[in-house]
Amino acid sequence: SQKIEQNSEALNIQEGKTATLTCNYTNYSPAYLQWYRQDPGRGPVFLLLIRENEKEKRKERLKVTFDTTLKQSLFHITASQPADSATYLCAPSKAAGNKLTFGGGTRVLVKP
Amino acid sequence: GAVVSQHPSRVICKSGTSVKIECRSLDFQATTMFWYRQFPKQSLMLMATSNEGSKATYEQGVEKDKFLINHASLTLSTLTVTSAHPEDSSFYICSAPGPGETQYFGPGTRLLVL
Repeated sequence: SQKIEQNSEALNIQEGKTATLTCNYTNYSPAYLQWYRQDPGRGPVFLLLIRENEKEKRKERLKVTFDTTLKQSLFHITASQPADSATYLCAPSKAAGNKLTFGGGTRVLVKP
Repeated sequence: GAVVSQHPSRVICKSGTSVKIECRSLDFQATTMFWYRQFPKQSLMLMATSNEGSKATYEQGVEKDKFLINHASLTLSTLTVTSAHPEDSSFYICSAPGPGETQYFGPGTRLLVL
């Protein structure tokens, strides 16, 4: 069965530095990979979607890469701010509107 | 942007009672909606797919008779937790595919069964 792995340990990072999160998947060939942000007690909020034929996608201070050979996506937050502190979830899928299976999430804590 | 709402945001009930949670797409139509459950310090787990005009599709291990889903219209899906027990206490979140190929999530409903 498909498996989606994210670093379960929290990522503590100094304000202004770049945070890099990893999402690895196995037994799966997704056409899309999405990243969401979740704050405590809230529903996830969509951040970025990258397609299998795209190597990189950017949105403001966020960057996502998608390597279908390595079966991995990297999520970068550049010039991190305390407001970026949250849990970040990755979700590979066959189609963009399909039901999503999430990785375990990585909690990011940006210290001022 | 597209918005999905849930009601109630928080509910406390006695063991054995039923609880209904509503999920609405506010400014777009959704023929499909998804229901997730999230336990503390865990990720979201898909429970079922709600289909407008037809039966819901449940994920393996989710009891369809316990978690009743009704997709009453193109903007409303309801999840009813029947005969709730303390182990059903969780954070329930719905989502709907909306504009831009993405999923829009509701704010979640915190259920506490005493």
